[in-house]
Amino acid sequence: RKEVEQDPGPFNVPEGATVAFNCTYSNSASQSFFWYRQDCRKEPKLLMSVYSSGNEDGRFTAQLNRASQYISLLIRDSKLSDSATYLCVVNTAGNTGKLIFGQGTTLQVKP
Amino acid sequence: NAGVTQTPKFRVLKTGQSMTLLCAQDMNHEYMYWYRQDPGMGLRLIHYSVGEGTTAKGEVPDGYNVSRLKKQNFLLGLESAAPSQTSVYFCASSYSYQTGGTDTQYFGPGTRLTVL
Repeated sequence: RKEVEQDPGPFNVPEGATVAFNCTYSNSASQSFFWYRQDCRKEPKLLMSVYSSGNEDGRFTAQLNRASQYISLLIRDSKLSDSATYLCVVNTAGNTGKLIFGQGTTLQVKP
Repeated sequence: NAGVTQTPKFRVLKTGQSMTLLCAQDMNHEYMYWYRQDPGMGLRLIHYSVGEGTTAKGEVPDGYNVSRLKKQNFLLGLESAAPSQTSVYFCASSYSYQTGGTDTQYFGPGTRLTVL
């Protein structure tokens, strides 16, 4: 079983749609959780951290369910510019700073 | 602030040739990482460093060596390149827990390497 699993998609949605991605992780000792965004042929960039209480940044909402070991990302009112691959990221136990990256979920927003 | 930079951006090697990829960061980060990204495989950690003069193996270290002689630089070497090392290589850096930072990683723009 992979340490971080995501549905690779692609998710094809029209502009203005709401779309949700889920991710599961296997290490119950993980303490830090993130969503990164990666545009085609570019480096991954931090989209948002995920906090236990859930957090929102504009049209983006991230939720964490520790009991079920899954993380979600909700995008409301999708824009064409949201088209990208979204990487679910979890830290490993211990203080090495190492992160485990999911394979990514590809989103295509169509006009 | 340039953030994390990588050189070169592109390189084509023949099997058996050697090369060094350079990563530099100007954020005074303690931790640095080298990843490779292949289609369908996601990002895989090759080697990492938790401070100047220290390195450690990641998930896929075979065929690579690294050095961290200066805090701001992290070098990745391929001694005898193989076609299986054709990939996109990303460097990243982050603060350390010990200095009160978070483990958010900041990435360089990547090096596209083709081994023929």
